[in-house]
Amino acid sequence: ETGVTQTPRHLVMGMTNKKSLKCEQHLGHNAMYWYKQSAKKPLELMFVYNFKEQTENNSVPSRFSPECPNSSHLFLHLHTLQPEDSALYLCASSHQDAGITNEKLFFGSGTQLSVL
Amino acid sequence: GESVGLHLPTLSVQEGDNSIINCAYSNSASDYFIWYKQESGKGPQFIIDIRSNMDKRQGQRVTVLLNKTVKHLSLQIAATQPGDSAVYFCAENEYGGSQGNLIFGKGTKLSVKP
Repeated sequence: ETGVTQTPRHLVMGMTNKKSLKCEQHLGHNAMYWYKQSAKKPLELMFVYNFKEQTENNSVPSRFSPECPNSSHLFLHLHTLQPEDSALYLCASSHQDAGITNEKLFFGSGTQLSVL
Repeated sequence: GESVGLHLPTLSVQEGDNSIINCAYSNSASDYFIWYKQESGKGPQFIIDIRSNMDKRQGQRVTVLLNKTVKHLSLQIAATQPGDSAVYFCAENEYGGSQGNLIFGKGTKLSVKP
C-alpha cells in the first residue's frame, strides 16, 4: 500500500461515454499528478496540481479534464475518448518544498482504461 | 529532444546473483535522478534517488551510481531475489525544471530465475 488509492482499477468505456477516474492520497502531500502509461512508451506527465492549483498541463487534449477539489483528492474526467487513449492512468503525489527539486513521487496502482 | 534511455530492454539473472541495470541520459543539465520499480499490476514504486553532486548512493541491497562524464546511471541490486522481478525505470529532472516533469526511460524488465 503506497498511500495513494485509485478507483476504479479497470474501466471499459465506449467513445461516447463519460466517466471519471478518482485518486486519493493519505500521505499529507501537497502536490498531485496524472500520468499516462502506454505499452512500450515512457510514462507521460499529463497534469500537475500544487496546493490544488493546476501548474502544468502538458498539451493534453480537452477530452481529458482534471479536477482537484482539495490536496487529497484528484479526478480525471473523461469524455468522447478515442481508442488510442487506452492505457494505464497513474495518479501520483509528492511533497513539494518551494524552490527545491524533489520529484520523489508516490504512485497509485493505476486505472487500466480500455476505450472501445 | 533530450531523453533518458536504457541500454537493455530485458535482463535475466540467477537468484542470488547481483543485477546491474543501466541507463543513459543526454541532458547535461539534469541534476536529479531516480529509480523506480514497477511490478505487474502495480504503479511505479520509488527505489532510490541521487543528486548530481554525488556519484554513489546506497540503500538496502541497492546502489545507484552516477557518472556525469559519460551521462550514465546504473542501479545495482545485490543478491537478487525473485521478488525483485519487475520493470525498472530510471528518470531525470533538470535543475529548475518544471514540477513533476520527470523524464522517464522506457524501462528494463528484470527476470529472476530460481
